[in-house]
Amino acid sequence: GQNIDQPTEMTATEGAIVQINCTYQTSGFNGLFWYQQHAGEAPTFLSYNVLDGLEEKGRFSSFLSRSKGYSYLLLKELQMKDSASYLCAVIDSNYQLIWGAGTKLIIKP
Amino acid sequence: GAVVSQHPSRVICKSGTSVKIECRSLDFQATTMFWYRQFPKQSLMLMATSNEGSKATYEQGVEKDKFLINHASLTLSTLTVTSAHPEDSSFYICSARGGQGDYGYTFGSGTRLTVV
Repeated sequence: GQNIDQPTEMTATEGAIVQINCTYQTSGFNGLFWYQQHAGEAPTFLSYNVLDGLEEKGRFSSFLSRSKGYSYLLLKELQMKDSASYLCAVIDSNYQLIWGAGTKLIIKP
Repeated sequence: GAVVSQHPSRVICKSGTSVKIECRSLDFQATTMFWYRQFPKQSLMLMATSNEGSKATYEQGVEKDKFLINHASLTLSTLTVTSAHPEDSSFYICSARGGQGDYGYTFGSGTRLTVV
């Protein structure tokens, strides 16, 4: 079966750094997405990794290791507005998105 | 960038009635449309995949007669929840492939359905 694991909930302090991990086991791999979702809203795109390594985009960075089936999303200089759920999703061999359950990130002042 | 317009954003309906949700790709042709459902504090669950001009492929456990999907054109797909019941209350989101946004996957803004 296909499986994506990420922590259910994390708490961090405003201004700090947090790393959200995602491990996956899927039938094939054609890329991995990270999305941000605020309550009651649709997911918004954060990053896409298809090759190993780190992709940096402002305060957010995403890392991928295909051999380990592992990715992380790194958020720096946390702001209160970063409180949201972060979803990891993998494109499988059929080009379908397989979703993790999401990590609820709580930012405290 | 690619935009998918989803309407309505919120709808409240009586039990037993039907509700139609529309997703339109505004500046690209959506060859494939995905329909998701999301219950509170849960991740997105794929309901069905539809390709323009052909029947939708439903995921296991999703009733095709209850959730009617029509993808009659490259810019419009609709999901009709028939004979809605309170347990159908959920957040429904469409996602289109075919545009250049977000590496080919563009999400609608979602529809909050409440069945009373």
